[in-house]
Amino acid sequence: DTEVTQTPKHLVMGMTNKKSLKCEQHMGHRAMYWYKQKAKKPPELMFVYSYEKLSINESVPSRFSPECPNSSLLNLHLHALQPEDSALYLCASSQGMGLAGHEQFFGPGTRLTVL
Amino acid sequence: GENVEQHPSTLSVQEGDSAVIKCTYSDSASNYFPWYKQELGKGPQLIIDIRSNVGEKKDQRIAVTLNKTAKHFSLHITETQPEDSAVYFCAASLPWAGTASKLTFGTGTRLQVTL
Repeated sequence: DTEVTQTPKHLVMGMTNKKSLKCEQHMGHRAMYWYKQKAKKPPELMFVYSYEKLSINESVPSRFSPECPNSSLLNLHLHALQPEDSALYLCASSQGMGLAGHEQFFGPGTRLTVL
Repeated sequence: GENVEQHPSTLSVQEGDSAVIKCTYSDSASNYFPWYKQELGKGPQLIIDIRSNVGEKKDQRIAVTLNKTAKHFSLHITETQPEDSAVYFCAASLPWAGTASKLTFGTGTRLQVTL
């Protein structure tokens, strides 16, 4: 299984809502990532978890809160978002060790619209 | 930090022709260079990668070359087919002490293969 799954595929939320994005991988990867991608732009790194610990936070606003409950799951909790946060949110994972450790595999993304 | 430039931003080729996309990076310490293909509505798909100890790598119709002295790397697609139409992103990764990789992406190239 070489797949990263993300739910939901689409999400529309108001600025006062609280919602969560979910990501799952069963490749035994020990590093997981959240990216944000705006239209016609490259993915921008938000957070990195390594062995279920937060390793990198790219100065992301606190209205985005990541969580890694176990080595296969990654969540992104959303609260009080702004319309400019509308984007495609991508999850990725990598093995975290060995020669192939750097290879990142992406999920299909969650298309988020903030009204 | 690392900076990656990618050219051209759009590329149109006829089916069967070759396509070349070029990237330059700024930090000579970068040692891992993946290429991703992103189709409309999907997440980026890793198609080929190269490490700094290798000058060229080929996988069927796709090849990547790396010139460490000039700090540039290129993607070559031969015998292009309509299904090659997508946005292609190059990326570079600096060595990192942790178990995860931190990718810096180029700005993307929209490749269109016409019949």
